[in-house]
Amino acid sequence: QQPVQSPQAVILREGEDAVINCSSSKALYSVHWYRQKHGEAPVFLMILLKGGEQKGHEKISASFNEKKQQSSLYLTASQLSYSGTYFCGTGKNDYKLSFGAGTTVTVRA
Amino acid sequence: NAGVMQNPRHLVRRRGQEARLRCSPMKGHSHVYWYRQLPEEGLKFMVYLQKENIIDESGMPKERFSAEFPKEGPSILRIQQVVRGDSAAYFCASSRHGTGDYEQYFGPGTRLTVT
Repeated sequence: QQPVQSPQAVILREGEDAVINCSSSKALYSVHWYRQKHGEAPVFLMILLKGGEQKGHEKISASFNEKKQQSSLYLTASQLSYSGTYFCGTGKNDYKLSFGAGTTVTVRA
Repeated sequence: NAGVMQNPRHLVRRRGQEARLRCSPMKGHSHVYWYRQLPEEGLKFMVYLQKENIIDESGMPKERFSAEFPKEGPSILRIQQVVRGDSAAYFCASSRHGTGDYEQYFGPGTRLTVT
């Protein structure tokens, strides 16, 4: 069952903050976050694992609430390059990821 | 440092023809995944392969679709007798290990249009 993302879309001005949420009805082992620009491949942002470990290489932070089966992605001091569609992928302890429908972020100057 | 490569980037087929999509994983990656994405939707898992083995094809339609990852060469997703509903973007991803704590790197996708 795919996770639910909210909001569906958000418009920001440069420098503003935003939060994207990802909720699952099932217990999670990991949450993966990706950003996709129109017509391009999804780009890996971050993995959050049960137990608190995080792996990422972007200046974007995220949290993982295991009890609530939720993850949130925090876009802080947004830049024009942050525009795109953000997907969360949720997984159990294996390879199979279920992706949400995406949150479209538009950052304007 | 080549990433995941897919070709062709765009493919147009008439109904009833065959479509062959190719994917070369990142160097050092032996796990390959295929996803389908419809316009304005998320990615849907289709199949997971390791070299010469299909590990999980639970997301792939039972008919007309097949996938392989031979010992030598790229992974191939094959769609026989294509129909208009097959029009979508097909993404391949690869990872170093086949567990949920390793990132999957995506290729640029093949956009299939069935006319």
